[in-house]
Amino acid sequence: AQTVTQSQPEMSVQEAETVTLSCTYDTSESDYYLFWYKQPPSRQMILVIRQEAYKQQNATENRFSVNFQKAAKSFSLKISDSQLGDAAMYFCAHGSGTYKYIFGTGTRLKVLA
Amino acid sequence: NAGVTQTPKFQVLKTGQSMTLQCAQDMNHNSMYWYRQDPGMGLRLIYYSASEGTTDKGEVPNGYNVSRLNKREFSLRLESAAPSQTSVYFCASSFDRGLMNYGYTFGSGTRLTVV
Repeated sequence: AQTVTQSQPEMSVQEAETVTLSCTYDTSESDYYLFWYKQPPSRQMILVIRQEAYKQQNATENRFSVNFQKAAKSFSLKISDSQLGDAAMYFCAHGSGTYKYIFGTGTRLKVLA
Repeated sequence: NAGVTQTPKFQVLKTGQSMTLQCAQDMNHNSMYWYRQDPGMGLRLIYYSASEGTTDKGEVPNGYNVSRLNKREFSLRLESAAPSQTSVYFCASSFDRGLMNYGYTFGSGTRLTVV
């Protein structure tokens, strides 16, 4: 069975600095996808970034990028130039051809002004 | 705006009462899901529907039933609510083509309290 582990319950970062959120996973699938979702205080779940496991190139979306290490089963999220609006819970998720996503327990990110 | 609509946003139930959470999407997605979110446990899958007319159990299905009424709508029913079902419930949908997986679109969630 797939598992997703986020070992950092809470992280803090100064505004304009860079922060990295960690995620490790275990899977028996050969084709799969990895995601980072953001959940601000509004409770809405927002897709931040998506990585296809068969692609070696790390995904990027503006200030958000990932470090995907397939052999190590690691999928970290880097947020550059952190902004106050980045404060949220961040969830890592694994999805495969069965479409069911497995989510980690989340990391709460605080952005300090 | 296109997306996933969940109703209600908040609900308080007494133990033993029943209720149905409604979910509708207008993005022509084929797959729909119900998750529950509890502190420190992330999101756990209750039921999902890979296509109209099919439903399958997820990780925590006990105490719940679902109906995929048509391609747009996927409802979650609590027949006899228990305090352990106090949680935030999310509906989600996705468009999946073969092994391609484009990510979920979530509804805004329902905060359910069972007293």
